[in-house]
Amino acid sequence: QVQLQESGPGLVKPSETLSLTCTVSGGSISPFHWSWLRQPPGEGLEWIGYIHFSGNTNYNPSLKSRVTISLDTPKNQFSLTLNSVTAADTAVYYCARGAGWYGFWGQGTLVTVSS
Amino acid sequence: QSALTQPASVSGSPGQSITISCAGTSSDIGAYNYVSWYQQHPGKAPKLMIYDVSNRPSGVSNRFSGSKSGNSASLTISGLQAEDEAHYYCNSYSTTNSYVFGTGTQVTVL
Repeated sequence: QVQLQESGPGLVKPSETLSLTCTVSGGSISPFHWSWLRQPPGEGLEWIGYIHFSGNTNYNPSLKSRVTISLDTPKNQFSLTLNSVTAADTAVYYCARGAGWYGFWGQGTLVTVSS
Repeated sequence: QSALTQPASVSGSPGQSITISCAGTSSDIGAYNYVSWYQQHPGKAPKLMIYDVSNRPSGVSNRFSGSKSGNSASLTISGLQAEDEAHYYCNSYSTTNSYVFGTGTQVTVL
């Protein structure tokens, strides 16, 4: 059974960079797409972007200027970097397998943007 | 890109059937058969219930079914059970080469 686990700082200061890693166990990175999504407290889901095992990426147009998703295949990990964060970026961040539909999810990690 | 529109809440008694609507546009739901639905219990990660409009993943009860007509999609839960009480979200691919979620619907079992 594929399992995903997010890791990274739970608190980031405004204007700084949010960095999270997702570790995949019980399966291989290939040949799948791997996505990041988020959910502000009490709100709905938002797709951030995905990376294909080949390295191709696709990002939400509203976040594209600030987002990078990368892959570390030997470690079975993929990562999210979000620059110049504000309070509006406070959310539970999820990693998931797939693009468009997501059959496997991490448990989510709350990232708070505050000074 | 605007979120897909869902009713804020839907309720039903045990054993009844309910339908959750998801209204989009000709640029998302109307353009592709790439609609998925997710169930989310409080404090938990979402769970995939339906993909590609009407396909059920292995392990999901056949009480859950999906459909699409024009620019709108629907999720029907038949034989409503207490465990079905949760938030539900729809999702669609769009012509902007991105993915948009619905506003979410709270299902209450009376």
